[in-house]
Amino acid sequence: EVQLVESGGGLVKPGGSLRLTCAASGFTFSTYSMNWVRQAPGKGLEWVSSINIGSTYIHYADSVKGRFTISRDNAQTSLYLQMSSLRVEDTAVYYCARDDYGGVFDMWGQGTMVTVSP
Amino acid sequence: SSELTQDPAVSVALGQTVRITCQGDSLRSDYASWYQQKPGQAPVLVIYGQNNRPSESPDRFSGSSSGDTASLTITGAQAEDEADYYCTSRDRSGSRLSWVFGGGTKLTVL
Repeated sequence: EVQLVESGGGLVKPGGSLRLTCAASGFTFSTYSMNWVRQAPGKGLEWVSSINIGSTYIHYADSVKGRFTISRDNAQTSLYLQMSSLRVEDTAVYYCARDDYGGVFDMWGQGTMVTVSP
Repeated sequence: SSELTQDPAVSVALGQTVRITCQGDSLRSDYASWYQQKPGQAPVLVIYGQNNRPSESPDRFSGSSSGDTASLTITGAQAEDEADYYCTSRDRSGSRLSWVFGGGTKLTVL
């Protein structure tokens, strides 16, 4: 089955860290760029970060730059998001999304909830 | 950064046609992609590029673009089309690659 499964979310205090994982299966992971997109409770979608197939092109939204690090392991068919210096405003469901062609997010995981609260 | 503007809410009578719009400078040079999101679910791609549909997307969904505005049209809206719809395109306001989403449109099927 073709799918993306996120894990690693949870409750963390401001200033804390968390590592999200997106496990891919059913397709050739190494041939797709990947992204993280988040959605705060009751709010819209926000693009967070992208990484190309060889991890040579990595981009971040201004809101997370310097605090979040995206990475991937093509052998393990997994995408990661290391989040540090977390803020209350980082509270959201975090989705991983496959990039079929230049920003066309054709497959999404079910999301993992990150709650940053004192 | 660039912005994409969507109407917060739109309604349509069952079986009628509805157009959801997305406006932004980036759309003058890039096509929008459109996503449908139902409560408690992940977004699903419904339209991308000039007017391309994933195989799973019903043919009542179509896309178009003119100037700085992209549109998603649902011809013959069904009850199951009630959802939030988001557009996205590349943000070309800076030197780095990034993507911007519209604020979303809540579609109600009456």
